[in-house]
Amino acid sequence: DAKTTQPPSMDCAEGRAANLPCNHSTISGNEYVYWYRQIHSQGPQYIIHGLKNNETNEMASLIITEDRKSSTLILPHATLRDTAVYYCIVRVNNYGQNFVFGPGTRLSVLP
Amino acid sequence: DTAVSQTPKYLVTQMGNDKSIKCEQNLGHDTMYWYKQDSKKFLKIMFSYNNKELIINETVPNRFSPKSPDKAHLNLHINSLELGDSAVYFCASSQDGGSTQYFGPGTRLTVL
Repeated sequence: DAKTTQPPSMDCAEGRAANLPCNHSTISGNEYVYWYRQIHSQGPQYIIHGLKNNETNEMASLIITEDRKSSTLILPHATLRDTAVYYCIVRVNNYGQNFVFGPGTRLSVLP
Repeated sequence: DTAVSQTPKYLVTQMGNDKSIKCEQNLGHDTMYWYKQDSKKFLKIMFSYNNKELIINETVPNRFSPKSPDKAHLNLHINSLELGDSAVYFCASSQDGGSTQYFGPGTRLTVL
């Protein structure tokens, strides 16, 4: 079972920031927070991950609360091509510890 | 220059047949995986494999078997196909068993 809770769906206006929340209140100290997305009919795409500190890359920013019980994925300027299902996953980075995908958040970017 | 590729993209077959799906990665990774995404869109791990160890999800029927001719390939063989095997199957790879996984485009299997 997924260890995370996400809203089932969200809308965002094109060009605005999309903020996708994730709750992981039972996260362990050695578990990372990962974000993937799946655009319709494609394979899941890695976005970003982090342990404690906030992270930023060319795709997104990841904000993790100080107690690590929740996080927010930020897409700074959403485009129509960002419409997808976004998955928040917590995982220990050891072999055999697999990614457990929940239902995710379906983000719709509206023109 | 696709990182993780799968063939075929679509596979339609009859119940009872045996089929294979191929996966190749050109990332130099040493760990590969197979996932199944069913009609409810839940993505579940089936196998994790590196050159030392195969980890099988206990819910996977033994009609499914991964075969790795070399580090860059992990093929999925399915015997005696059943209607419930209809799904999208994704291959993935990672540098090692603990790092980020990168997924292929998927193979949509339809069993009639």
